[in-house]
Amino acid sequence: GQNIDQPTEMTATEGAIVQINCTYQTSGFNGLFWYQQHAGEAPTFLSYNVLDGLEEKGRFSSFLSRSKGYSYLLLKELQMKDSASYLCAVTDSNYQLIWGAGTKLIIKP
Amino acid sequence: DVKVTQSSRYLVKRTGEKVFLECVQDMDHENMFWYRQDPGLGLRLIYFSYDVKMKEKGDIPEGYSVSREKKERFSLILESASTNQTSMYLCASSSGRDADTQYFGPGTRLTVL
Repeated sequence: GQNIDQPTEMTATEGAIVQINCTYQTSGFNGLFWYQQHAGEAPTFLSYNVLDGLEEKGRFSSFLSRSKGYSYLLLKELQMKDSASYLCAVTDSNYQLIWGAGTKLIIKP
Repeated sequence: DVKVTQSSRYLVKRTGEKVFLECVQDMDHENMFWYRQDPGLGLRLIYFSYDVKMKEKGDIPEGYSVSREKKERFSLILESASTNQTSMYLCASSSGRDADTQYFGPGTRLTVL
């Protein structure tokens, strides 16, 4: 079956760095997305990786290793507003999005 | 900016009622999707549509139907609401290119009593 695993919850301190991991097993691969979702709100797009390597976008970076079925989202200089759930999603061979359950990130002062 | 709107943020219905959830996008996107989101589970695809009057079943279509009469509007219908359909319902849209970014509406939290 198709499966995406990410930690359920993580806690980090304001100003620090946190890495949220995502591993996947899907029928084919056509890209990996990271979305941010604040409580009670819609998911919003953060990043898209289709090739191996690191994509940097301001305080957020996303890494992909297709051979390992692995990605991570790196958040630097954490701010309180980064408290949210982070969703990993993989596009399979049929271009369908398979979603992880999300990682709830709690930022403490 | 892409805008996806949903008809209600909160909805309370009774078991057996017919429920309509409306979604409208203003970016001329070909693709539209309906998901439900429950605690501890990933987003689960109910139905999607790649064009007007076209619809495809997702992973959990049972108990739901959809309608896409106009490109910008995608409706989700619960024919006879049940308590296990209490959930957050999210609509999304994307352009016609493969693996394109999906843009989400604010969601409708539906409670079925």
